[in-house]
Amino acid sequence: RKEVEQDPGPFNVPEGATVAFNCTYSNSASQSFFWYRQDCRKEPKLLMSVYSSGNEDGRFTAQLNRASQYISLLIRDSKLSDSATYLCVVNDNYGQNFVFGPGTRLSVLP
Amino acid sequence: EAQVTQNPRYLITVTGKKLTVTCSQNMNHEYMSWYRQDPGLGLRQIYYSMNVEVTDKGDVPEGYKVSRKEKRNFPLILESPSPNQTSLYFCASSRNTEAFFGQGTRLTVV
Repeated sequence: RKEVEQDPGPFNVPEGATVAFNCTYSNSASQSFFWYRQDCRKEPKLLMSVYSSGNEDGRFTAQLNRASQYISLLIRDSKLSDSATYLCVVNDNYGQNFVFGPGTRLSVLP
Repeated sequence: EAQVTQNPRYLITVTGKKLTVTCSQNMNHEYMSWYRQDPGLGLRQIYYSMNVEVTDKGDVPEGYKVSRKEKRNFPLILESPSPNQTSLYFCASSRNTEAFFGQGTRLTVV
């Protein structure tokens, strides 16, 4: 079983749609959780950290359920510029080792 | 500006010809790592380093070497490259709250 699993995608949605990504992780000792965004042929970049209480950044909302070992990302009012691959990331090994999910590709269509 | 710099960005080489991909960070991070990214497999960790002179294998270390003689630099060495090492490589430097990536090196071994 992979350490971090994500929806396979791709997700093709119209502009303005709400889209949700799901992620599960296997290591219950994982300490920190993140969503990264990766544009085609570019390096991954931090989108947002994920906290147990849930957190929101503009149109983006992230949730963490430690009991179920489940992380989610909700994007509201999708924009064309949201088209990218979204990577679920957990942090193990005393907070230093980042383990990446395979990513889910999102295409927002006009 | 916080930066991770990789060189070269693109490289085409022949089987068996030793090569080095350099990586340098200016954030004084102790933890650095190398990943390869292949279609359908996501980011897989090759090697990591928790500090100067401290390196360890990641998930896919075969065919690679690294060194960490100073904190800012973490080169990736392919002693005898083979076609199955054709991939997109990322160097990362991290603290426990975020991983910063270089722009990537696209390597083709023919």
